[in-house]
Amino acid sequence: GAGVSQSPSNKVTEKGKDVELRCDPISGHTALYWYRQSLGQGLEFLIYFQGNSAPDKSGLPSDRFSAERTGGSVSTLTIQRTQQEDSAVYLCASSRGETQYFGPGTRLLVL
Amino acid sequence: AQSVAQPEDQVNVAEGNPLTVKCTYSVSGNPYLFWYVQYPNRGLQFLLKYITGDNLVKGSYGFEAEFNKSQTSFHLKKPSALVSDSALYFCAVRDLRNSGNTPLVFGKGTRLSVIA
Repeated sequence: GAGVSQSPSNKVTEKGKDVELRCDPISGHTALYWYRQSLGQGLEFLIYFQGNSAPDKSGLPSDRFSAERTGGSVSTLTIQRTQQEDSAVYLCASSRGETQYFGPGTRLLVL
Repeated sequence: AQSVAQPEDQVNVAEGNPLTVKCTYSVSGNPYLFWYVQYPNRGLQFLLKYITGDNLVKGSYGFEAEFNKSQTSFHLKKPSALVSDSALYFCAVRDLRNSGNTPLVFGKGTRLSVIA
């Protein structure tokens, strides 16, 4: 079946602009996660949605980062007023049981 | 707090030789343990997991991992390496005490290079 999809695959933006990254999870998966992968930082958890519960935002690095999940399916990660240190690969994952399945990621470059 | 250590940034092995990628973990309760592989410009692919049961877990592409509770380790192994196994490998852990499908804590990753 279809896996987790993310768009865009690459995004180049200027410092100070806002960006939106999209994730389509595997159908029927109730949990959705955003991680960030950057050089020297490894994989960092950002935010986690489980069903209709309030999201766990404990990993968001600043208030410039936010995410929503509409209708329990598609999720959008928004970064406002981007900074150069936001440059990274943003990975989305979804799960129904213990195993998380990852999308291909969005590579963000802030100039 | 949960943590994962992958002590080797890089592992080099000759094709056909056995390979081991090391992982140790720290959790307060019992662990869920995972291995993922990442090929260039790709997302993470699930390889295998340990939840409970047999300490030796078999996964995709001929990989296996052994859970060792006394040494808090979960090393990834393969009897005979292929050049196509060259990739970045991540070990991850989740504490069983946490209810629901909570986020994983990942190691820094180990780059495996299999030389023909």
